[in-house]
Amino acid sequence: RKEVEQDPGPFNVPEGATVAFNCTYSNSASQSFFWYRQDCRKEPKLLMSVYSSGNEDGRFTAQLNRASQYISLLIRDSKLSDSATYLCVVNDFNKFYFGSGTKLNVKP
Amino acid sequence: DTGVSQDPRHKITKRGQNVTFRCDPISEHNRLYWYRQTLGQGPEFLTYFQNEAQLEKSRLLSDRFSAERPKGSFSTLEIQRTEQGDSAMYLCASSLRGGGETQYFGPGTRLLVL
Repeated sequence: RKEVEQDPGPFNVPEGATVAFNCTYSNSASQSFFWYRQDCRKEPKLLMSVYSSGNEDGRFTAQLNRASQYISLLIRDSKLSDSATYLCVVNDFNKFYFGSGTKLNVKP
Repeated sequence: DTGVSQDPRHKITKRGQNVTFRCDPISEHNRLYWYRQTLGQGPEFLTYFQNEAQLEKSRLLSDRFSAERPKGSFSTLEIQRTEQGDSAMYLCASSLRGGGETQYFGPGTRLLVL
């Protein structure tokens, strides 16, 4: 079983839509969690860390459910520039495991 | 530019040759990571240094792979006797211990083994 699993998508949504991605992880002892964004043929860049209490950064909201071992990312009012692959990342004692990514296409 | 840099950006080699990649992390970062990414997959953890000490190695890192960070600054990743299956993007990232674990990635070295 993979350490981190994500729906690969693609999610095709119109501008202005709200879209949500989920990610599950296998190790209940995982310590910290992140969402990264990766544009085509570019390096991953941190979008946001995910805290147990949930956290929001503008149009982006991340949630962590430790009991069910899943992480979510909600994007409100999607922009064309949000089109990218979103990577879920789990930290197991300084070994970082990335999901395969969920591809988002925001259409005009 | 004070970001993570990697050299070369692209490398084409023939099967059986050795290749070496270099990563220069953000100067004050004491942690350095190497990852491999293939098409349609997320980055796969290969190894991790804290200062000059190599603290973790993935099972993915076969005997043909070796990484060093001799002075706790730049790092090299060497692949000996390359195979076609080694073709991938090799990404380096750095972070600051106690800095929230945010990793900053370099642009990667794209390797093609013919």
